[in-house]
Amino acid sequence: ETGVTQTPRHLVMGMTNKKSLKCEQHLGHNAMYWYKQSAKKPLELMFVYNFKEQTENNSVPSRFSPECPNSSHLFLHLHTLQPEDSALYLCASSLAGGDTYEQYFGPGTRLTVT
Amino acid sequence: AQSVAQPEDQVNVAEGNPLTVKCTYSVSGNPYLFWYVQYPNRGLQFLLKYITGDNLVKGSYGFEAEFNKSQTSFHLKKPSALVSDSALYFCAVRDATSGTYKYIFGTGTRLKVLA
Repeated sequence: ETGVTQTPRHLVMGMTNKKSLKCEQHLGHNAMYWYKQSAKKPLELMFVYNFKEQTENNSVPSRFSPECPNSSHLFLHLHTLQPEDSALYLCASSLAGGDTYEQYFGPGTRLTVT
Repeated sequence: AQSVAQPEDQVNVAEGNPLTVKCTYSVSGNPYLFWYVQYPNRGLQFLLKYITGDNLVKGSYGFEAEFNKSQTSFHLKKPSALVSDSALYFCAVRDATSGTYKYIFGTGTRLKVLA
């Protein structure tokens, strides 16, 4: 495995529910990312955190709320989602401070909104 | 704006034959290019990257990629394909213009290696 874990692996939620996705990295990285992967669409960057500070919000709707309490943990809080939000949500991490560092991805959370 | 293009949605190749998965890029400044692979129900795995130096980059699982500045391409190659190479492959470029650690991914190419 890559050293990046995500829980839960699968989640089914109704449109009125509130849930959270969790990501943890054990690689000593200091940049963390959330991506959305939908069928037949490019990988969409959602949020970027560097040293716990959010540095990118890629026009993501407010029903998605990220949280990064420390460099090892990243959360994505979900509320009042829409069916079109059903997708694979991927967390990734990398070293920060340079242009040349590759990302390490978790296995993803398969989210279904009913 | 930084971008990458993967012109083929799918590539089919017979086992034992050489394979190529194409990627072209558009960047301002130095191109930092990456290849990732995604197996079913898994996240993306890093294969290799080009930063500077030798235009032929070697990576994991016998893959290599050739950086061609004049053609702005970074094609992924393997001399002899295995059935287990069947997966989704993504090319990515580091976006160095935004001031954040942002990577732009291609749309992915599905590789099918036929036994």
